[in-house]
Amino acid sequence: ILNVEQSPQSLHVQEGDSTNFTCSFPSSNFYALHWYRWETAKSPEALFVMTLNGDEKKKGRISATLNTKEGYSYLYIKGSQPEDSATYLCAFLRGSQGNLIFGKGTKLSVKP
Amino acid sequence: DAGITQSPRHKVTETGTPVTLRCHQTENHRYMYWYRQDPGHGLRLIHYSYGVKDTDKGEVSDGYSVSRSKTEDFLLTLESATSSQTSVYFCAISLPGPGLALSKSYNEQFFGPGTRLTVL
Repeated sequence: ILNVEQSPQSLHVQEGDSTNFTCSFPSSNFYALHWYRWETAKSPEALFVMTLNGDEKKKGRISATLNTKEGYSYLYIKGSQPEDSATYLCAFLRGSQGNLIFGKGTKLSVKP
Repeated sequence: DAGITQSPRHKVTETGTPVTLRCHQTENHRYMYWYRQDPGHGLRLIHYSYGVKDTDKGEVSDGYSVSRSKTEDFLLTLESATSSQTSVYFCAISLPGPGLALSKSYNEQFFGPGTRLTVL
């Protein structure tokens, strides 16, 4: 059984705070690591697909890093805004023909 | 916009009745997925399809069946609904479009709007 762990489970920050959370995944037979953003009452939307050890991706104030050797990825949000409030999911892809294994997500709440 | 719709969007049914959820896509994508989302569990894969009449089981397939007779439609059937199947169901498709290998897309997924199913 493959486990994808995300921490923390939830996070409450003030507007303007920077924050980060972690996704841990099996380091063997790594193929890709995905981050999705999931707003309440909407569908998950892809943020990043990361494939190489040492990858860093950025989209606006959100960035992510990847360490495939030790099996973790960090998602960073700089200067959090209320519209960043969402659940952030990571998903692990083992092998080119595998299916995504999702973590349980980190729920971020940003107070104005 | 991957052109994914789900129907119905909300349904309340009774234990023991069959229920069919429909996922429809307009972009001719080969790979389609059904997930369920429950508090404390995140997204869990029920079934998936890699082409017309080609389907396979996911992590939580017991009590569910699927069919894909046309590229654009992927149906999820609860053969005899139980209260434990109360959930939000998401359909997804993955890049790339027709003619390209799945491995080239790293399986990035686009999700439908979800169906909220309540089994009483």
